[in-house]
Amino acid sequence: GENVEQHPSTLSVQEGDSAVIKCTYSDSASNYFPWYKQELGKRPQLIIDIRSNVGEKKDQRIAVTLNKTAKHFSLHITETQPEDSAVYFCAATLGSDEKLTFGTGTRLTIIP
Amino acid sequence: DAGITQSPRHKVTETGTPVTLRCHQTENHRYMYWYRQDPGHGLRLIHYSYGVKDTDKGEVSDGYSVSRSKTEDFLLTLESATSSQTSVYFCANRQESRYYFGPGTRLLVL
Repeated sequence: GENVEQHPSTLSVQEGDSAVIKCTYSDSASNYFPWYKQELGKRPQLIIDIRSNVGEKKDQRIAVTLNKTAKHFSLHITETQPEDSAVYFCAATLGSDEKLTFGTGTRLTIIP
Repeated sequence: DAGITQSPRHKVTETGTPVTLRCHQTENHRYMYWYRQDPGHGLRLIHYSYGVKDTDKGEVSDGYSVSRSKTEDFLLTLESATSSQTSVYFCANRQESRYYFGPGTRLLVL
């Protein structure tokens, strides 16, 4: 099965600076890589995703990059704001049933 | 939120009792999933369904069973609850590749 590793587990960033979270996956057949944001006591919410035929995708202040050769993908948040504070999860899907395997999460804290 | 609800939202039960959690979707998506979330583990797949009466195991299926008699409902049953099953349980459906999660059920097994 797929294995997804995520780093760092915690990250503190000054407001206005950039934050980067990195993930690696084990199965080269994985083809879809979403990122979820989870605020305290809430459900995970999809914030951006990328498919294996694309190297980079951007949506306003967030972007995701994918390196298929190295089997890693990253989330980039620019101009961070207090409302970006949350736990972020990366994930990868594998197989015809597209089962989603998650990383262990990164707790991002934005320091005002 | 893809029209997903879960019930109950909170439950306290005792070791050895059976527990059933319900997931309901208002849309007719074929795939539905049950995950549990625990500190340090992220979200782990328990079981999933790819249609009415069609289900399969995930990575942490021991002690759990599921049923899907209607497209809109996916039930998760803890046959005999144990303290290790204290967790937050999330249901999800899938639209093309995108997963959408329900609000979660917080379960405490004493």
